[in-house]
Amino acid sequence: EAGVAQSPRYKIIEKRQSVAFWCNPISGHATLYWYQQILGQGPKLLIQFQNNGVVDDSQLPKDRFSAERLKGVDSTLKIQPAKLEDSAVYLCASSLDFRTDTQYFGPGTRLTVL
Amino acid sequence: GENVEQHPSTLSVQEGDSAVIKCTYSDSASNYFPWYKQELGKRPQLIIDIRSNVGEKKDQRIAVTLNKTAKHFSLHITETQPEDSAVYFCAQNPGGYNKLIFGAGTRLAVHP
Repeated sequence: EAGVAQSPRYKIIEKRQSVAFWCNPISGHATLYWYQQILGQGPKLLIQFQNNGVVDDSQLPKDRFSAERLKGVDSTLKIQPAKLEDSAVYLCASSLDFRTDTQYFGPGTRLTVL
Repeated sequence: GENVEQHPSTLSVQEGDSAVIKCTYSDSASNYFPWYKQELGKRPQLIIDIRSNVGEKKDQRIAVTLNKTAKHFSLHITETQPEDSAVYFCAQNPGGYNKLIFGAGTRLAVHP
């Protein structure tokens, strides 16, 4: 079974630039999550999708972050404009459905903002 | 609240010793408590989880115990090996929903 795929794996940008990350969940998984993991900390949930609808985006800085999952499969997370404090690993995870708790993580995208 | 406190932040043991990491939470509605292992530069990987209807679960050298009354759960690793060296994160689902709140992590070092 293929795991959660993410791209790019690494990205370096300057502050105020824009960046986008892509995630493809495990086939058949209805629930998709984006987490931000700052160095030395645990993952922090940014947004959770159930199919193509948003379940929880309470921790998403909506003035600069946006995410979509238009067809209920792949998802993109965008930052515009980036700030220095956005430097982190952005992890995508998926689970079978809203009622199944086991979450499987992708390899992450390491973002460095200079 | 939604936070989960994890202790210790670092743990150093000799190969063959046991390691114990403890997490405490405050939301009595939480009913799912997974533990993830993250090696340097890698993705978090689920190693064991427990649901609130049981008090203990074991998988070879790894066990998790849950005390719902005291609102804490612990990861126990026996006969530690150098390949157990990693950062371990506990998590819980406040409100009983499928949203995970992670602890700050414990860096475990197993010395040969």
